[in-house]
Amino acid sequence: KQEVTQIPAALSVPEGENLVLNCSFTDSAIYNLQWFRQDPGKGLTSLLLIQSSQREQTSGRLNASLDKSSGRSTLYIAASQPGDSATYLCAVLTNSGYALNFGKGTSLLVTP
Amino acid sequence: DAGVIQSPRHEVTEMGQEVTLRCKPISGHNSLFWYRQTMMRGLELLIYFNNNVPIDDSGMPEDRFSAKMPNASFSTLKIQPSEPRDSAVYFCASSGLEGSSYNEQFFGPGTRLTVL
Repeated sequence: KQEVTQIPAALSVPEGENLVLNCSFTDSAIYNLQWFRQDPGKGLTSLLLIQSSQREQTSGRLNASLDKSSGRSTLYIAASQPGDSATYLCAVLTNSGYALNFGKGTSLLVTP
Repeated sequence: DAGVIQSPRHEVTEMGQEVTLRCKPISGHNSLFWYRQTMMRGLELLIYFNNNVPIDDSGMPEDRFSAKMPNASFSTLKIQPSEPRDSAVYFCASSGLEGSSYNEQFFGPGTRLTVL
């Protein structure tokens, strides 16, 4: 069974800092990996999707990388802002399945 | 596009009552998923439909849970009778447009269920 782990579980940084969120998975036979943002009491917003054949994806201040062989992905947030405060979830779609396997998330707080 | 639509957004009910959650997927998507989110277990798949047919319901906790998809634009998740341990946020997601990201799943806002 695919296990997805996110470190750290919580992170607090001052505004303007660059930061990295980590995601690791146990089964490297993945189809794609998605990073989501979840605001308190809200649904999930898809931020970036990386296909298994890709190494990274970028959207604005966000950059996600994928190292399938080592079972790792990182989400890099540049010049963080208080509006970035949310929980960030990593989810993996394995080749043998269709359900996303989610990590428990990293709760990010960006202080002014 | 309005995205995935779920109703109700919040539901508070008493133990033993029937609860019905509703979902309208994104038009044109052929896959629909029901997930449940709890603090203890995070997000877990309950059931997956493809072209309106249930493909995998192994995540459905027990017989009290049932799901239907009578057509491509509507699905329901029913809990009867409900129990306090069913309290969670239930998400519906859809995917399946043609293209390189056809497996990208889009989530609705969720239904926060509280069973007293």
